[in-house]
Amino acid sequence: NAGVTQTPKFRILKIGQSMTLQCTQDMNHNYMYWYRQDPGMGLKLIYYSVGAGITDKGEVPNGYNVSRSTTEDFPLRLELAAPSQTSVYFCASRDRKGDRDMNTEAFFGQGTRLTVV
Amino acid sequence: GENVEQHPSTLSVQEGDSAVIKCTYSDSASNYFPWYKQELGKGPQLIIDIRSNVGEKKDQRIAVTLNKTAKHFSLHITETQPEDSAVYFCAAGMYSSASKIIFGSGTRLSIRP
Repeated sequence: NAGVTQTPKFRILKIGQSMTLQCTQDMNHNYMYWYRQDPGMGLKLIYYSVGAGITDKGEVPNGYNVSRSTTEDFPLRLELAAPSQTSVYFCASRDRKGDRDMNTEAFFGQGTRLTVV
Repeated sequence: GENVEQHPSTLSVQEGDSAVIKCTYSDSASNYFPWYKQELGKGPQLIIDIRSNVGEKKDQRIAVTLNKTAKHFSLHITETQPEDSAVYFCAAGMYSSASKIIFGSGTRLSIRP
């Protein structure tokens, strides 16, 4: 069972560089999320998607972009990396209960540790 | 919007003793409160959740209590074991909306042998 897969696991970027964090899930989940985790700050929501073609901003979207062209994939794009974006990034997905938009268990990937220098 | 505060940030207990982690939330409309456990090098994993129509829920050694009036909820782990060492996150949101959920800042629990 693959679940939620994130690549890469680690990355060092120079200030101003760009990169895409990849996230794919094989559970046919409608909802997908990107979080960042900073020490002592918990998980902050960057962007989320309720289905293919639909994305919305979370708590801390500045400096990031997302797209959701398929159900499986939800890449996160950093256009101009800044030291403030040094963090651990988690992708998560969640199923939808039938026809109702109900909260269910979120499944997380193993994370991408990004350092911007 | 919702704001979730979690205490303590670190907790060390003797193996076999109980551990309690507390969270408060700000949005009275929130009615879904999951708890996640994050082991070293892994993503968070759901361990228990509770909806606001229930005051307490138990699953083996873990239990969660909810006080809607005071807007706080707690995780209780009894008979702690070394494998309970991890970071625990509380969260709050709407059961009727899976769009987003707000997490607390986490508690690092260490079990002393």
